[in-house]
Amino acid sequence: ILNVEQSPQSLHVQEGDSTNFTCSFPSSNFYALHWYRWETAKSPEALFVMTLNGDEKKKGRISATLNTKEGYSYLYIKGSQPEDSATYLCAFHNFNKFYFGSGTKLNVKP
Amino acid sequence: DAGVTQSPTHLIKTRGQQVTLRCSPKSGHDTVSWYQQALGQGPQFIFQYYEEEERQRGNFPDRFSGHQFPNYSSELNVNALLLGDSALYLCASSSGQGSTDTQYFGPGTRLTVL
Repeated sequence: ILNVEQSPQSLHVQEGDSTNFTCSFPSSNFYALHWYRWETAKSPEALFVMTLNGDEKKKGRISATLNTKEGYSYLYIKGSQPEDSATYLCAFHNFNKFYFGSGTKLNVKP
Repeated sequence: DAGVTQSPTHLIKTRGQQVTLRCSPKSGHDTVSWYQQALGQGPQFIFQYYEEEERQRGNFPDRFSGHQFPNYSSELNVNALLLGDSALYLCASSSGQGSTDTQYFGPGTRLTVL
C-alpha cells in the first residue's frame, strides 16, 4: 500500500495571512502529483497537475512546487481569504492509480 | 456543458443488500474513476474504466464491481453490503489515460448501510 501524507491536518489562519502545507509521497515510480480544493458541499476541484521535478505552478494567489527526488510538494496560499476555506487534497498518480492524502483543512477567519 | 453527474445523491441500504451507483462523465471524457471516501480520510481509489474495460483497480474486494457503457457512463455495484461500506462514493472523469489528465469530480453519492 502506497502512503501519501499531508500536513498539517488542519490550519486556522486570519484573513491576509500567507500559509503553506505539505504533501509527502514515495519518490519512486513517480508519474504525476495532483492538487485539489474541496469546499464543503461541493465537488473536489482540480488545482494543479505536476509532473516534472522542480515544477512550479501558479493560479492566482495559490502556487505549488514539486520535488520528486525527495518526494514532497508544497502548496502556498498568499494573502488567504475566507473563500479559500476548504480541504486541500493531494493525489499521487502512477500506473493509472491515484493515492490521495487525508487532506489539510484550512479555515480562514475574516 | 454539464459536468460530472452522479445518482442518486443519497442512499440507505441494509447489510447484505446490493447497490448500484451511476455516473455520467463530463462531455468529451472517456475515462471514469471511482473512489470511496470514509469519514476523516482521503478518497480511496476503487477502479478506473476506459473503453468499457477496467484498466486499474485499487485494494477493494470483488464485491465491488463496475461497468462502463459505450456512451462512457459508468456504474459501480457493491454486493453483500457491510456496515463499513458506508461512505461517500465519488466518480471522476478525464480524457485519455495519461497521468497528466485532470480529473473532474462529481458531487458524490452518500451511501449509508444500516
